[in-house]
Amino acid sequence: GESVGLHLPTLSVQEGDNSIINCAYSNSASDYFIWYKQESGKGPQFIIDIRSNMDKRQGQRVTVLLNKTVKHLSLQIAATQPGDSAVYFCAENMGGYSTLTFGKGTMLLVSP
Amino acid sequence: ETGVTQSPTHLIKTRGQQVTLRCSSQSGHNTVSWYQQALGQGPQFIFQYYREEENGRGNFPPRFSGLQFPNYSSELNVNALELDDSALYLCASSLRGRQNEKLFFGSGTQLSVL
Repeated sequence: GESVGLHLPTLSVQEGDNSIINCAYSNSASDYFIWYKQESGKGPQFIIDIRSNMDKRQGQRVTVLLNKTVKHLSLQIAATQPGDSAVYFCAENMGGYSTLTFGKGTMLLVSP
Repeated sequence: ETGVTQSPTHLIKTRGQQVTLRCSSQSGHNTVSWYQQALGQGPQFIFQYYREEENGRGNFPPRFSGLQFPNYSSELNVNALELDDSALYLCASSLRGRQNEKLFFGSGTQLSVL
C-alpha cells in the first residue's frame, strides 16, 4: 500500500479560520517531506518543505510540523482565504534524488 | 508559474496506439521526472532522467519509456496504450546538486484513452 496517507479527504473551513491538514507516513527512513497545493487544471505547486532533522518550519501563513515519533506531518494555514481552496498533497522522499511518494490528497474548501 | 512547460495540454488516443508527451524543464534545471496522476489520486512516480539517462523508475511497465535531450528537455513515450493509462501526466524539473532538491511541476498533459 501507499506509505503516505491523509486522514481527511475533505476539509471545509470559513474564511479567516486556521486550517490544519494532516498526513501519516509509514517509512521511518524518509528524510524529506514536501507539501504541494494543486488547483484544478494545474500541476502541483510547492508550498513548503521540511527535512527530517527538523520538527517545525514556517513560511508565509503556513507552518509544517513533523513528528517522527508517530510518523505524522501536518500543514497549518493561518487566516485561510478562498484562494487557498485546492487539493493539498504531502509527499515524502524515501531515497533517491527528487523521487517523491505522494499521498492521495485532501481537498480544502474555504467558504467566504 | 514554475517555468516547466508541457505539450500537448490534452490528448485523445485509442487503445493500442502510441503517444509521446513533451516537457521543457525550468531554466537551469538538469533533472526531469515524470509522474502519472489518476483522477482523485496523488501523482505516482514513473521515472527520472539525469544526464540523458534514466535514473530511477517506479512501478511502471517497459512500455513506458523516456528520453532526455542535451538541453534537458524530455519526452515520455507510452506504447500499446491501455484504458487505464488515462490520466494526467506531470513533468517536474529540479536541479541536482545536493540532496532533496525541490521539484517544480508543469501543468500536465491530460491523456484520454478510448
